[in-house]
Amino acid sequence: DARVTQTPRHKVTEMGQEVTMRCQPILGHNTVFWYRQTMMQGLELLAYFRNRAPLDDSGMPKDRFSAEMPDATLATLKIQPSEPRDSAVYFCASSAEWLSVSGANVLTFGAGSRLTVL
Amino acid sequence: LAKTTQPISMDSYEGQEVNITCSHNNIATNDYITWYQQFPSQGPRFIIQGYKTKVTNEVASLFIPADRKSSTLSLPRVSLSDTAVYYCLVGDSPDTGRRALTFGSGTRLQVQP
Repeated sequence: DARVTQTPRHKVTEMGQEVTMRCQPILGHNTVFWYRQTMMQGLELLAYFRNRAPLDDSGMPKDRFSAEMPDATLATLKIQPSEPRDSAVYFCASSAEWLSVSGANVLTFGAGSRLTVL
Repeated sequence: LAKTTQPISMDSYEGQEVNITCSHNNIATNDYITWYQQFPSQGPRFIIQGYKTKVTNEVASLFIPADRKSSTLSLPRVSLSDTAVYYCLVGDSPDTGRRALTFGSGTRLQVQP
């Protein structure tokens, strides 16, 4: 069963520290998404990439968050410096070729990275 | 952006059929309707997707009226393991410039014995 792999599963850090979360999308999937989930805000779309190029990162606080895809098998989400309000579960998801004609797409999510910033 | 509206929560008993309705009044021509299920400490999981009329798979059915301004996820004979949050998504290709795949607040389904 193909799956999206995220690391670390849990991370506790102190305010001001750099945090990097990694995601390995499903092989062959060319669209990658980063979501953040909190009790207050629910699932928020932070950014997404297609063929490793960023398509939309308007959901990300630009001053401290950055997302990249160094290659087709790795997506990273970095927070520098981290703040307590960044505490959340961060999900990565991937999707196969975006069917721009039909508009259909199905996301496969990873298990998430739970971040706690003290 | 095709905004969706769902009930915040629903309660049911084992063996009952559960119908969760999602409103998406400004759905666009190319938009598909997709439902996801999320258990605690897990990522959302795809359940079913449709464009119009009715779609059925081994897990659920999706009913979409002709105007496509709403959709109903139907779970037949729920069990305790169906307790989860259910999200309705209306998504389009990013090529159109519209921000796609935004999750709403979801419907928290609680199944009682």
